[in-house]
Amino acid sequence: SAVISQKPSRDICQRGTSLTIQCQVDSQVTMMFWYRQQPGQSLTLIATANQGSEATYESGFVIDKFPISRPNLTFSTLTVSNMSPEDSSIYLCSVHGTSGGGDTQYFGPGTRLTVL
Amino acid sequence: KQEVTQIPAALSVPEGENLVLNCSFTDSAIYNLQWFRQDPGKGLTSLLLIQSSQREQTSGRLNASLDKSSGRSTLYIAASQPGDSATYLCAVPYNAGNMLTFGGGTRLMVKP
Repeated sequence: SAVISQKPSRDICQRGTSLTIQCQVDSQVTMMFWYRQQPGQSLTLIATANQGSEATYESGFVIDKFPISRPNLTFSTLTVSNMSPEDSSIYLCSVHGTSGGGDTQYFGPGTRLTVL
Repeated sequence: KQEVTQIPAALSVPEGENLVLNCSFTDSAIYNLQWFRQDPGKGLTSLLLIQSSQREQTSGRLNASLDKSSGRSTLYIAASQPGDSATYLCAVPYNAGNMLTFGGGTRLMVKP
């Protein structure tokens, strides 16, 4: 199993500012994933972060808005830039792992972002 | 493109009832299917993982089944309790990778 922590757990930010969310895993992993969950919605993948290379973004998400760093195999950051109220969401990081002989995903507790 | 749908979107039941949550997916070529629980404002907790070669998985009062040919999975909760109140999400991997496509979730409320 993998234990994932995120900082901050929540924040309230002003329009136009940026927030960097940290994700720490207790073991080395190749890929880390960042998801967004808008209010009342399900999760949508933002990007996949590999150590040593640029992140791969899903359709509708761009690096200028959501820059990602992956400096080592246990840590990643996601920045939400030039925020607007539409960015108010829960942001979750996750990693792939194995459990009971099968593949699974482990998720962090999430960062609840409110943009005023 | 894989699409995952969950029915019902919300469910309210009295304590003690047995209930079934439904998940359907459009592309049957899946590696596995996973059920998660999410408490309000919290992250996700994995409940059950069913490999594509399996028909069902059980954990305590939870039983998940998988029918790939029909593109369906069900999560059965026996003898529901107020502590079961949460949003239940199903998800499948896509693009032969480890990224997940999630259903919209079922918000469950179990009343004492």
